[in-house]
Amino acid sequence: ETGVTQSPTHLIKTRGQQVTLRCSSQSGHNTVSWYQQALGQGPQFIFQYYREEENGRGNFPPRFSGLQFPNYSSELNVNALELDDSALYLCASSPSGRASVEQYFGPGTRLTVT
Amino acid sequence: QKEVEQDPGPLSVPEGAIVSLNCTYSNSAFQYFMWYRQYSRKGPELLMYTYSSGNKEDGRFTAQVDKSSKYISLFIRDSQPSDSATYLCAMRYGGSQGNLIFGKGTKLSVKP
Repeated sequence: ETGVTQSPTHLIKTRGQQVTLRCSSQSGHNTVSWYQQALGQGPQFIFQYYREEENGRGNFPPRFSGLQFPNYSSELNVNALELDDSALYLCASSPSGRASVEQYFGPGTRLTVT
Repeated sequence: QKEVEQDPGPLSVPEGAIVSLNCTYSNSAFQYFMWYRQYSRKGPELLMYTYSSGNKEDGRFTAQVDKSSKYISLFIRDSQPSDSATYLCAMRYGGSQGNLIFGKGTKLSVKP
């Protein structure tokens, strides 16, 4: 069984640019959550998608947006990048829908904004 | 006050020691309590989770939740160098609100 995969592994962008990060959920998992982890901090919840609909959003501005596709893979888009957006972006998938407790994380995409 | 507080350490112990990791929280509405392990430059790995108060054991790991004190613990028995990692506590409300609220993580080093 393949776990959660994310691409790319690393990314360097310039302030003001836009970025798209991708996530393939674990087989059979229909719920995907995105988190931002700054250096030395715990992950912070950005949003969650369940069956292609947004199911909850954390305290992030609208320039953070997402999509979930029919195969349950997902994208995180960030517009107008700021230096503070530099972080590890984690995707987690869950089995059994929105109420599932267990979230399984991918290895993350490390984004550096210069 | 942050919703979840966790001492970032670092914590250094000799191999074979019993390790105690702790978190406190402020929101009594949390119902699920998790522990994740994160190796350097990797994603967090779910170790175990507990619903409400009580203890849960899995091999060398024991999780404890005391809702009256808003305090959770993870104990690692017979610690090994391979246990060296950052340990993150996380909490979740009940129902369909699926987001996890994490502590900062405690960096643990187990010396051979």
